[in-house]
Amino acid sequence: GAVVSQHPSWVICKSGTSVKIECRSLDFQATTMFWYRQFPKQSLMLMATSNEGSKATYEQGVEKDKFLINHASLTLSTLTVTSAHPEDSSFYICSAPPRWGLNSYEQYFGPGTRLTVT
Amino acid sequence: EDQVTQSPEALRLQEGESSSLNCSYTVSGLRGLFWYRQDPGKGPEFLFTLYSAGEEKEKERLKATLTKKESFLHITAPKPEDSATYLCAVQANAGGTSYGKLTFGQGTILTVHP
Repeated sequence: GAVVSQHPSWVICKSGTSVKIECRSLDFQATTMFWYRQFPKQSLMLMATSNEGSKATYEQGVEKDKFLINHASLTLSTLTVTSAHPEDSSFYICSAPPRWGLNSYEQYFGPGTRLTVT
Repeated sequence: EDQVTQSPEALRLQEGESSSLNCSYTVSGLRGLFWYRQDPGKGPEFLFTLYSAGEEKEKERLKATLTKKESFLHITAPKPEDSATYLCAVQANAGGTSYGKLTFGQGTILTVHP
């Protein structure tokens, strides 16, 4: 149980274009999902919290107009990188807590999406 | 600000050579401390959650312990397949916009030689 998937697993796009990344909880519902970014040889940094049916909340320094998050259902959150630039190249990983608030705050991570902007 | 420091940065062991990884943390009220394993090019794999000082959890060759300032991940008789980056993260008992946020350490890269 507690499986989180991401699609695509890797994507290459040209500078100036937009890319959408999907995060799905396969065997549980998640009213909250989290989006992280990981640069090479660095740890994970939280970008934003995705809330089903409401606006996402972004961490300080993350441009909400550049990283658009939509949490349209209890099993799907999407991250759209708009007008991508080479410095947006990174490993994007989502996570979801299957039993949030029920005395368990464990988060399970997706396999990640490698974005390369040329 | 919540902070997590892991040591050592890298650890090389011979197969069967037991050791420990350290995770020191400062957090404004700990909700939970999490250990994850991450293989290259993959997302973190959940290992343990510890909620209060004195708590211990075990899974195969791994044992995690927690004090008020740090956590240890003990690896007993490691095998080459245990080679990975081990990440420690804390979650604060705070509300607001960062509710649920995990603050990660830099990780310990473990290499186990046969």
